Amino acid sequence: AQKITQTQPGMFVQEKEAVTLDCTYDTSDPSYGLFWYKQPSSGEMIFLIYQGSYDQQNATEGRYSLNFQKARKSANLVISASQLGDSAMYFCAMREGRLTGANNLFFGTGTRLTVIP
Amino acid sequence: EPEVTQTPSHQVTQMGQEVILRCVPISNHLYFYWYRQILGQKVEFLVSFYNNEISEKSEIFDDQFSVERPDGSNFTLKIRSTKLEDSAMYFCASKGQLNQPQHFGDGTRLSIL
Repeated sequence: AQKITQTQPGMFVQEKEAVTLDCTYDTSDPSYGLFWYKQPSSGEMIFLIYQGSYDQQNATEGRYSLNFQKARKSANLVISASQLGDSAMYFCAMREGRLTGANNLFFGTGTRLTVIP
Repeated sequence: EPEVTQTPSHQVTQMGQEVILRCVPISNHLYFYWYRQILGQKVEFLVSFYNNEISEKSEIFDDQFSVERPDGSNFTLKIRSTKLEDSAMYFCASKGQLNQPQHFGDGTRLSIL
């Protein structure tokens, strides 16, 4: 089974509107972390936001917020007031298990977001 | 803001040749990682490294792959005898503390001919 599932291969949003990118995860471990990364066409991976499994509140970072629904095992990224520069590939990733140095990330297949002027 | 630096940005190599991808993690970071992304596919974990040894490796990281931290600043990935299917973007990442996110470099695009 896939550990991270992103069901939206592509999304379009009008500039200045909000958009939600879906992510569901699969783990039986009570300790995990969820991440969102942005990959522009230039290829680099930019960290956006993090949510720990024990965090009581949804994470927010500027225009990014994470809609964390633990019972549904979903960690959707919400981008408010979209900008043209938000057009990129977005990856959801999970760190599974308690924190150790070996905590590699499992990535989803990504969602390509296009912001329309 | 400090960043992870990878060189070269693009490497073209003949099949069967050895290739070394270089990374300079963020200073004071303790945990280091290599990932790869085959064109159009998701990012896949290769190896994690801490305290001068491999912490964990994936099934992709076979005997053809090795990592080194030769001088306390560089973190290298070596592919001994490259194959066509090694063509991918290779990302180095590092993190400072256990509860911090991994920060990625800009990647090295490896093309095997």
